[in-house]
Amino acid sequence: NAGVTQTPKFQVLKTGQSMTLQCAQDMNHEYMSWYRQDPGMGLRLIHYSVGAGITDQGEVPNGYNVSRSTTEDFPLRLLSAAPSQTSVYFCASRPPKEARRDPYEQYFGPGTRLTVT
Amino acid sequence: DQQVKQNSPSLSVQEGRISILNCDYTNSMFDYFLWYKKYPAEGPTFLISISSIKDKNEDGRFTVFLNKSAKHLSLHIVPSQPGDSAVYFCAATTGANNLFFGTGTRLTVIP
Repeated sequence: NAGVTQTPKFQVLKTGQSMTLQCAQDMNHEYMSWYRQDPGMGLRLIHYSVGAGITDQGEVPNGYNVSRSTTEDFPLRLLSAAPSQTSVYFCASRPPKEARRDPYEQYFGPGTRLTVT
Repeated sequence: DQQVKQNSPSLSVQEGRISILNCDYTNSMFDYFLWYKKYPAEGPTFLISISSIKDKNEDGRFTVFLNKSAKHLSLHIVPSQPGDSAVYFCAATTGANNLFFGTGTRLTVIP
């Protein structure tokens, strides 16, 4: 298993540009999520999905879109990037109940560092 | 508004001694708490957790203590090892799909 993979590792965008952060997992996990980490703040949930075709908003969803057409992929789209979206983005997935060490355990990807100028 | 707070951004401890990382929360509806560990250029990894019906949970060198009346939890690492040097995040949940994370404490274990 490759675990949770994220691409790209680094990205610089200009204000107003759009881009998609990719997230994939090969563990057949139903639950996937996106977090952002900013200096002086903890990780904050942007969007999550409990399975293919189902997505929901987290704590800070504004400015981001997601879709879940397959179990493996959960891309995060920035339609019009703003400097306030400069952050490190983490994607995570959660094993099925029977495979978890803990009810709320998630596996995180290595992150994408995004800078919007 | 941060519902989970880690007021110490950093902590240095000698190898072999105890490391104590602290976490405070404001939301009394939180009923489950976790600690994650993060190395540079990697995502956080799950370390240990505790339910609000307990006040202590141990896993090897790691112990988490929960004081519900003070809305405070702590992670004890005994003995501390250089490989424990990382950023530690405290997180809490009400049982829904959202985890609320603290800002993290960078632990440095000095050989």
